[in-house]
Amino acid sequence: EDKVVQSPLSLVVHEGDTVTLNCSYEVTNFRSLLWYKQEKKAPTFLFMLTSSGIEKKSGRLSSILDKKELFSILNITATQTGDSAIYLCALGAAGNKLTFGGGTRVLVKP
Amino acid sequence: GAVVSQHPSWVICKSGTSVKIECRSLDFQATTMFWYRQFPKQSLMLMATSNEGSKATYEQGVEKDKFLINHASLTLSTLTVTSAHPEDSSFYICSARDSTGAAYEQYFGPGTRLTVT
Repeated sequence: EDKVVQSPLSLVVHEGDTVTLNCSYEVTNFRSLLWYKQEKKAPTFLFMLTSSGIEKKSGRLSSILDKKELFSILNITATQTGDSAIYLCALGAAGNKLTFGGGTRVLVKP
Repeated sequence: GAVVSQHPSWVICKSGTSVKIECRSLDFQATTMFWYRQFPKQSLMLMATSNEGSKATYEQGVEKDKFLINHASLTLSTLTVTSAHPEDSSFYICSARDSTGAAYEQYFGPGTRLTVT
């Protein structure tokens, strides 16, 4: 059974700080790892990492995948209050199913 | 583009009644939709996979007779919670996969908060 564990559970930072979120996983047949940001309602897609794309960057957000050590990191630099959200990591499996981790709740204080 | 809507956004019902939640892909076709539930401060748990024109596939532990799923068209899937009980109170979120898009790119609806009294 696929398993996704995220850490830390939550963290509080101040604007301008850098945040590093961790996602470790166990999977029988790796296909992809996805990151989502969930504010009040629906999760919004951030990145998808695969065997052929282990690093992604978009603005202040970046993510890497380590298939050997079975983890991924999501980095947010120069954080803003708008980055406050729950960040979800998910494994993509056969049939397009997603297995989510427990999420990391990030609070960015002004 | 790639917008998914859910209706209603919140609903309160009495114990024993049934509630239907709709999930629509507004600007794309979705042969596959997924239903999740999310308890407070917890992550999304996949309940079932809804395939257009065929029976839904339920995850282990999810009662198919209690959570009825219908995917009658390429843009609409419905989840009916039958004989609802207070323990069914939760946040229900659907997602839809664009049939023409990347395999694992899913778009989530805004969710429906169900409260059973």
